[in-house]
Order: sequence, then C-alpha cells, then structure tokens
Amino acid sequence: SQQGEEDPQALSIQEGENATMNCSYKTSINNLQWYRQNSGRGLVHLILIRSNEREKHSGRLRVTLDTSKKSSSLLITASRAADTASYFCATGASSNFGNEKLTFGTGTRLTIIP
Amino acid sequence: KAGVTQTPRYLIKTRGQQVTLSCSPISGHRSVSWYQQTPGQGLQFLFEYFSETQRNKGNFPGRFSGRQFSNSRSEMNVSTLELGDSALYLCASSFGTPYTEAFFGQGTRLTVV
Repeated sequence: SQQGEEDPQALSIQEGENATMNCSYKTSINNLQWYRQNSGRGLVHLILIRSNEREKHSGRLRVTLDTSKKSSSLLITASRAADTASYFCATGASSNFGNEKLTFGTGTRLTIIP
Repeated sequence: KAGVTQTPRYLIKTRGQQVTLSCSPISGHRSVSWYQQTPGQGLQFLFEYFSETQRNKGNFPGRFSGRQFSNSRSEMNVSTLELGDSALYLCASSFGTPYTEAFFGQGTRLTVV
C-alpha cells in the first residue's frame, strides 16, 4: 500500500513560474527521495535527502524535510516545458537495510504551459 | 556508466501463461528491487535481492518470484498470469546501504490478454 499522499494530485502552471509539491509519509524514515516520471516510462532520480537534513538543493530543485510533521516538499524554480511529468516522493524506512524497499507516494502530475 | 537495463521493454501474454523479466543493474550495485506500477495501486514494492539473497518481500502472491545471479543481474517471474497483472514493472538498483540512491530502469510494460 502507499505510504503517503502527495499534494496536489495535479498542478498546471505557466512556464517560468515556480512549482511546489508536497509529500506526507507515515513511518520513521532514514531518507526521502524524489523521482520524476515521463508518460509511464522509468523513474528518474532527482534528489535524496537524509532524515537528519532539513533542506537540500540541486540545480533548480529545492527539497525540504520536516520529520516532526512527516512531510517533505519539492520546489522547482523557473519551470520549463520539459519539467512536465509526474513527480513521486519515496521513503526508505529506518527499519530496512537501505533503500531496497522504497514506499512511494501517489504522485503529482505537473503540467507546464508554454 | 550504463544505467539500469530492463528487457524486454514490451510484452503481451495470454492469461495462464508465465513470463520472465530481466534487469541488469548499474555496475557495482549489489541490490536489485522490483516494483509494479498500475493506475489503480500506484507503485508497489515486490521484492529485493542483495548478493543473490532475497532480503525483503512485498505483499504479492506466490505467483510472483525472483532471483539474482552472481553478477547481480536479476529476473522476476510471474506464473499463471491474470489480467490484473498487466502493469509497468520497474527494477531499481542501488548499493543496498542506507542513504544511497536507487536508480530505476525504463521498465517492462506487460499486457495480459
């Protein structure tokens, strides 16, 4: 079953605007990862944030993690048409050996309008 | 270096048949995990292998099985296919330790008719 929810389920913005997606999870984690998926293809790894980190940046991506609220957010700045995709958060449970069992959120469908 | 390779990319099978999917991980990665993605259930964990041993298993029936070879390549098998097994099957490879990323292949699209 899905660990958590992503919010919103769908988001449409103009090119150049910023997009923010949120993810909530339920159990204790050792890390959280964000992935992008284009039209039913494979998942592309975007960023990993450890449970002891609060914020991480990678290019136009900014991820925050609040373990007290069991939530994370992904901010994409200066969006481009190529950012149109579904975005998923995935958590690695602290009870596992590593990231062998990721639990995924429901995903946010992001559409960038040119 | 090469990414995760899954074969075949597309597959059409008939109910009752069995199917074998293959996954070649990134060189140096010893962990391979398998996931099923469907519109209704989303991404669901199937199982994970590390150094030829199954370390973790999801809540799928025994018709779903897998194995890993000494070169870390992995296969998953689904026997007695059902229409509901139609899905995108994704494998992910990683070092298998905490705080390391899991990288996914392009997936195998299985259609059961």
